[in-house]
Amino acid sequence: DAGVTQSPTHLIKTRGQQVTLRCSPKSGHDTVSWYQQALGQGPQFIFQYYEEEERQRGNFPDRFSGHQFPNYSSELNVNALLLGDSALYLCASTNNPGTNVALHFGNGTRLTVT
Amino acid sequence: AQSVTQLDSQVPVFEEAPVELRCNYSSSVSVYLFWYVQYPNQGLQLLLKYLSGSTLVKSINGFEAEFNKSQTSFHLRKPSVHISDTAEYFCAVTGLTGGGNKLTFGTGTQLKVEL
Repeated sequence: DAGVTQSPTHLIKTRGQQVTLRCSPKSGHDTVSWYQQALGQGPQFIFQYYEEEERQRGNFPDRFSGHQFPNYSSELNVNALLLGDSALYLCASTNNPGTNVALHFGNGTRLTVT
Repeated sequence: AQSVTQLDSQVPVFEEAPVELRCNYSSSVSVYLFWYVQYPNQGLQLLLKYLSGSTLVKSINGFEAEFNKSQTSFHLRKPSVHISDTAEYFCAVTGLTGGGNKLTFGTGTQLKVEL
């Protein structure tokens, strides 16, 4: 049973460029969340997708956008990249958009902005 | 809104010794609490969670945590650590209602188990 899979595993971009990260949720899961983990910090919530709509959003600018597809997979897009966007981006999935559930995390995409 | 404080950024301990990783939270509403573990180059794995009921919760690999509402704490303990427990540990909190899958994490505690 495949868990949460993310691609690519590593990515290097230049300041000002745009990037798209991809996530496939664990089998049977329909809710996807994205987190940003800067070096030496805990993950920070970006947004959550359920039924192809953004349901919750953290304190991130509009440069961060996402999408969920009918097969529940998701994309995270970041426009006009800044050096500060360098981080590990984690995707998490659940089978319930509520709060009292455990998130299943992927291994992340390491984004480096130069 | 919620916040989490993990005061210890690093905790070195010898194998087979006991360990406690501290976690304090702040919230204006009732909360659910979690401990996640992150091994190098991997994502986060749920270690244990407190939702309701008994304030002492246990994991299958010997960790336990106790929810203390009066002290707003959820400290993680293990009576005897193993080399394989070396990892980063994150405490997280979410509100009972309206939070969705939004977890607020602490900054993490690096547990280093030495021989």
